[in-house]
Amino acid sequence: GAVVSQHPSRVICKSGTSVKIECRSLDFQATTMFWYRQFPKKSLMLMATSNEGSKATYEQGVEKDKFLINHASLTLSTLTVTSAHPEDSSFYICSARRQERTEAFFGQGTRLTVV
Amino acid sequence: QKEVEQDPGPLSVPEGAIVSLNCTYSNSAFQYFMWYRQYSRKGPELLMYTYSSGNKEDGRFTAQVDKSSKYISLFIRDSQPSDSATYLCAMSAPSTGGSYIPTFGRGTSLIVHP
Repeated sequence: GAVVSQHPSRVICKSGTSVKIECRSLDFQATTMFWYRQFPKKSLMLMATSNEGSKATYEQGVEKDKFLINHASLTLSTLTVTSAHPEDSSFYICSARRQERTEAFFGQGTRLTVV
Repeated sequence: QKEVEQDPGPLSVPEGAIVSLNCTYSNSAFQYFMWYRQYSRKGPELLMYTYSSGNKEDGRFTAQVDKSSKYISLFIRDSQPSDSATYLCAMSAPSTGGSYIPTFGRGTSLIVHP
């Protein structure tokens, strides 16, 4: 199988603090990882694409200084929400794939609540 | 017009029914097609991954791709209450940078009642 583990599954933080979310591919090497944000009853909104060893490519309208993405190894990518605000509260999901033209597998998602 | 159109539903069917879920798309460059199932507050789970036009079967699931009509379908046979979830279609084409970026439909909410 292809397992992607995302941690934490749920986090509550205070406004102004930073939160780090980890995405790990457990049984395969992921050359590409994607980070999404999902609002209730809405589809996935792609935030950024990260390739191992290179800078992430952010979608239009996503602040790269606020949503820091690091893909330091073939099995780990992290998303750090800096100086979190209540409007950053959302469901964040990562996905990972081995290489181009292959399917992507999703993590379990992280429910972020900023109070 | 969105690149991928998917009726959000909800689609309500009785247990045992055959379910048909569909997506249409406008970008003829899409080459790879996927169906995901997402339960509430969980990450999507990959159900099917196809490339060519035609049918692909896996257990109770059949994915169908018609590139000439830009139309894909997912059929679920003998539907069960546990199939109640949101079903997302996704498809990918090479971006300007050459990378394949999946584009998702908004998802169809399926309810299978006993």
